[in-house]
Amino acid sequence: AQTVTQSQPEMSVQEAETVTLSCTYDTSESDYYLFWYKQPPSRQMILVIRQEAYKQQNATENRFSVNFQKAAKSFSLKISDSQLGDAAMYFCAYRTPGETSGSRLTFGEGTQLTVNP
Amino acid sequence: EAQVTQNPRYLITVTGKKLTVTCSQNMNHEYMSWYRQDPGLGLRQIYYSMNVEVTDKGDVPEGYKVSRKEKRNFPLILESPSPNQTSLYFCASSPDRAGYQPQHFGDGTRLSIL
Repeated sequence: AQTVTQSQPEMSVQEAETVTLSCTYDTSESDYYLFWYKQPPSRQMILVIRQEAYKQQNATENRFSVNFQKAAKSFSLKISDSQLGDAAMYFCAYRTPGETSGSRLTFGEGTQLTVNP
Repeated sequence: EAQVTQNPRYLITVTGKKLTVTCSQNMNHEYMSWYRQDPGLGLRQIYYSMNVEVTDKGDVPEGYKVSRKEKRNFPLILESPSPNQTSLYFCASSPDRAGYQPQHFGDGTRLSIL
């Protein structure tokens, strides 16, 4: 079974600085999708960024980028120029493509990010 | 507005009293799913549905039931709730069963079982 591990329960960053959240996963599949979701205090689950495993290029969305290391099974999220609104719980998630796996997202434990003014 | 709507947002109830959490999506999505979120465990899938009348177990289905009689609705039923089902619950939907398209989540339902 696939597992996703986020080893940092809590992280903090100063406003305008850069922070990196770690995520590792375990799988025997060669093709899969990886996601980072943000959960602010409102409890909404907001997609931040996604990465297809067959793409070697790291995904980027504005101030958010990933460092995808397929051989190491690592998928870290970098937030540049941190803003107060980035404060949230961040979840890493894994998904095997194909209908047989039921579109199941396997989530990590989450990392609570605090942004200090 | 495209959305996934869950009701209620909050519920406090007692052990053994049957309850239903409703979930409705207005995006004509085929795929729907229920997750529970617990501290230190992230989100875990309870049940999912690939289409009308097609449902299957996720990772933690014990104590829950679901039904998919209409495409837009996917209620979660707790026949005899117990305190270990106290949790934050999310419904999600996706346009494709293969999983490439990201899932859209509802705003969550906080259940407390006393």
